[in-house]
Amino acid sequence: SQQGEEDPQALSIQEGENATMNCSYKTSINNLQWYRQNSGRGLVHLILIRSNEREKHSGRLRVTLDTSKKSSSLLITASRAADTASYFCATPQGSNYKLTFGKGTLLTVNP
Amino acid sequence: DVKVTQSSRYLVKRTGEKVFLECVQDMDHENMFWYRQDPGLGLRLIYFSYDVKMKEKGDIPEGYSVSREKKERFSLILESASTNQTSMYLCASSFPRGPGETQYFGPGTRLLVL
Repeated sequence: SQQGEEDPQALSIQEGENATMNCSYKTSINNLQWYRQNSGRGLVHLILIRSNEREKHSGRLRVTLDTSKKSSSLLITASRAADTASYFCATPQGSNYKLTFGKGTLLTVNP
Repeated sequence: DVKVTQSSRYLVKRTGEKVFLECVQDMDHENMFWYRQDPGLGLRLIYFSYDVKMKEKGDIPEGYSVSREKKERFSLILESASTNQTSMYLCASSFPRGPGETQYFGPGTRLLVL
């Protein structure tokens, strides 16, 4: 079953601009994660935010979590061409170790 | 750094062949996962293993089986490959610390079944 859904499906920006991607989910969660996937490669974990956190930073990444709206956003500041990738949010599937991934946002950063 | 490796980056097989996809992780993780990724469908869990010789079906197990004889190795088996199994296959592993534990992915195997 689909838990997280990213929005927009695709985003194209210029280098130096900020990129914002959103994720909505349906059921209560104890954490939410963001992953990046470069074309044709595996996923790389970017950041995990817990349900008792509202905002978290890691370098040029800023993640927010609004549990009342069941939504999260990923902001990439001062984007670079190397940030071109697909970005996925992932939420726990029940009380086990499985994750449910959204379908991703394809970010293209033009030089 | 956690390293998850997959036996092949690209694989071409014929319909009806038995196909083995191997995944090895070097971080002593208990949990290992196999996903397939298709355009427009995202990542879908095929099988999950939480310990040696233990496995659990994911969302789309039909046509697949798995083997976990050693903790570091998790194999995905296509008993009789079909064209609709052409896909990107991703292996991942994680510690069993709690729900939603971070998963570490291999580079993926792109399988083409002719």
